[in-house]
Amino acid sequence: DGGITQSPKYLFRKEGQNVTLSCEQNLNHDAMYWYRQDPGQGLRLIYYSQIVNDFQKGDIAEGYSVSREKKESFPLTVTSAQKNPTAFYLCATTGTASGNTIYFGEGSWLTVV
Amino acid sequence: AQRVTQPEKLLSVFKGAPVELKCNYSYSGSPELFWYVQYSRQRLQLLLRHISRESIKGFTADLNKGETSFHLKKPFAQEEDSAMYYCALSVRTQGGSEKLVFGKGTKLTVNP
Repeated sequence: DGGITQSPKYLFRKEGQNVTLSCEQNLNHDAMYWYRQDPGQGLRLIYYSQIVNDFQKGDIAEGYSVSREKKESFPLTVTSAQKNPTAFYLCATTGTASGNTIYFGEGSWLTVV
Repeated sequence: AQRVTQPEKLLSVFKGAPVELKCNYSYSGSPELFWYVQYSRQRLQLLLRHISRESIKGFTADLNKGETSFHLKKPFAQEEDSAMYYCALSVRTQGGSEKLVFGKGTKLTVNP
């Protein structure tokens, strides 16, 4: 678990601004994911990446963008196009080294003011 | 389409009572199911997965393909079991990658 670092933990953004959430892992996992957690909604998949330089849209990708230039890093950008960005964002990773068990970071709280 | 349903948003039991958190799934492929738990102020963590058939912290879950269910059970609930519980289904995408689909979660409260 300690091998996944999300930053910042808390972030405030003004409407109309883009913001990037960082996710770094030292678990040597191939796959990385971004989920959004809202009360009563569970976890919804935003984007995921199975290998470097490749990623796919999840169920709620609109208004978000990602990149996967390095195996260790999978940053998420919340753009101004995201209509309801205030949420708790979770990064997760998995790989054969962990028996394909998915591990989560501690999360980032984003509040739009 | 793949879907995970947890019908109870909230579940409250007394300490020592049995507890069952329900989970139903919809998936055309061979299902691989998980239970994740999130204790207060802690990160989401794996509780158990059906393929390992383990019992973790006294919890068990059996995959019932006929009823498409993966209910989580514990015979005697403890106060420290109070947490948010998520059922999840591993889904293989058309591109050959895998992703987890989560239910909406059940908040379990165990009262003294």
